Amino acid sequence: SAVISQKPSRDICQRGTSLTIQCQVDSQVTMMFWYRQQPGQSLTLIATANQGSEATYESGFVIDKFPISRPNLTFSTLTVSNMSPEDSSIYLCSVCRHAGELFFGEGSRLTVL
Amino acid sequence: DAKTTQPPSMDCAEGRAANLPCNHSTISGNEYVYWYRQIHSQGPQYIIHGLKNNETNEMASLIITEDRKSSTLILPHATLRDTAVYYCILHPPGNTPLVFGKGTRLSVIA
Repeated sequence: SAVISQKPSRDICQRGTSLTIQCQVDSQVTMMFWYRQQPGQSLTLIATANQGSEATYESGFVIDKFPISRPNLTFSTLTVSNMSPEDSSIYLCSVCRHAGELFFGEGSRLTVL
Repeated sequence: DAKTTQPPSMDCAEGRAANLPCNHSTISGNEYVYWYRQIHSQGPQYIIHGLKNNETNEMASLIITEDRKSSTLILPHATLRDTAVYYCILHPPGNTPLVFGKGTRLSVIA
């Protein structure tokens, strides 16, 4: 298994501000993934973050809105920029230890007013 | 897009077996069937996976039909703590992300 810590666990933010979510893993991993879960919905992949290269974004997600950093093999950040109420979601970090077996953090619940 | 179809919700009596179906008629030869669950306010949790043989672990059993077009996750003795959304996901070999569908919301009732 993998222990994944996310910060903050929850936050209430004002419209127009930005928030950075941190994801710390207890061991080195090559692939890290960021997901979004809107209220009552399933998980949607935002991007794949590899160490040493730019993140790869899924359709509908852009770097200006969701910049990602991956400075080393145990850490990543996701920033939600210029937030609006539509960004209110749970943001989840996950890592792949074995093919197909993903481990998830507990998520960061954002509420944008 | 998710390649699986699951019922949106199911109920199960506590102590009984919960059988969660999943249809994946367009599965490719190299795709595994994975099951995850998400308990309220938590991140998804891996349960089990298989390619074509039936699999069992301490949490559940996975039954895959011979043509691999459908599968069933079995929780042999459901408890209240098994109340969650269960996701059936197809995934090829390799360290690539999972694509989640809508899942089945299982409610275990006392």
